[in-house]
Amino acid sequence: QSVLTQPPSVSEAPNQRVTISCSGSSSNIGNNAVNWYQQLPRKAPKLLISYNDVLTSGVPDRFSGSKSGTSASLAISGLQSEDEADYYCATWDDSLNGVVFGGGTKLTVL
Amino acid sequence: EVQLLESGGGLVQPGESLRLTCVGSGYTFGHDAMSWVRQAPGKGLEWVSGISYSGSSAWYADSVRGRFTISRDNFKNTLFLQMNSLRVEDTAIYYCAKAEGLVAAAAAWGQGTVVTVSS
Repeated sequence: QSVLTQPPSVSEAPNQRVTISCSGSSSNIGNNAVNWYQQLPRKAPKLLISYNDVLTSGVPDRFSGSKSGTSASLAISGLQSEDEADYYCATWDDSLNGVVFGGGTKLTVL
Repeated sequence: EVQLLESGGGLVQPGESLRLTCVGSGYTFGHDAMSWVRQAPGKGLEWVSGISYSGSSAWYADSVRGRFTISRDNFKNTLFLQMNSLRVEDTAIYYCAKAEGLVAAAAAWGQGTVVTVSS
């Protein structure tokens, strides 16, 4: 059971928009910045977004992040087949005094 | 180009120890916090441990606290993870990662090293 809750899977057609949610609490998302990672099959994770909404250099601006209260979201517009991957949210948890990850969301582009 | 190269993984029996090493290059190693993150077969990412840029502060996941020790040698651009009393559930790919400001914002990752704990 992960501290941060993500949907196990989402799917959408090419060129459409999808959002992935990440729910936490006051000790993690509510008080710390959220970061988003993409993990392609058999590859190391890649940082997409940091500080809630700052896009990593080189990442297409089809990706965007937001945070409100104890929840955060990753949005991907203009879906492409190469976006099929696992996506993870992560932040610091003040109570655990460490980093916590969401359980991950598998994105399927139909 | 930032590069991180892990080594030290292998097959061990429960209760044994391993020491993982991560060598960084292409940047000033001593400027950034570092973390170890693992991924069990078919599972999600789990943060294991982190260390400040100077090595003066270290943090651990509850699952490894008291068994694992993180350290770094900034003169040798090297990060370590000493893993003692290994358990079957420690079986995973172990990645080292370089923080970008926040410990939770890992901007660069190694390719990973595989640790298998089995009798």
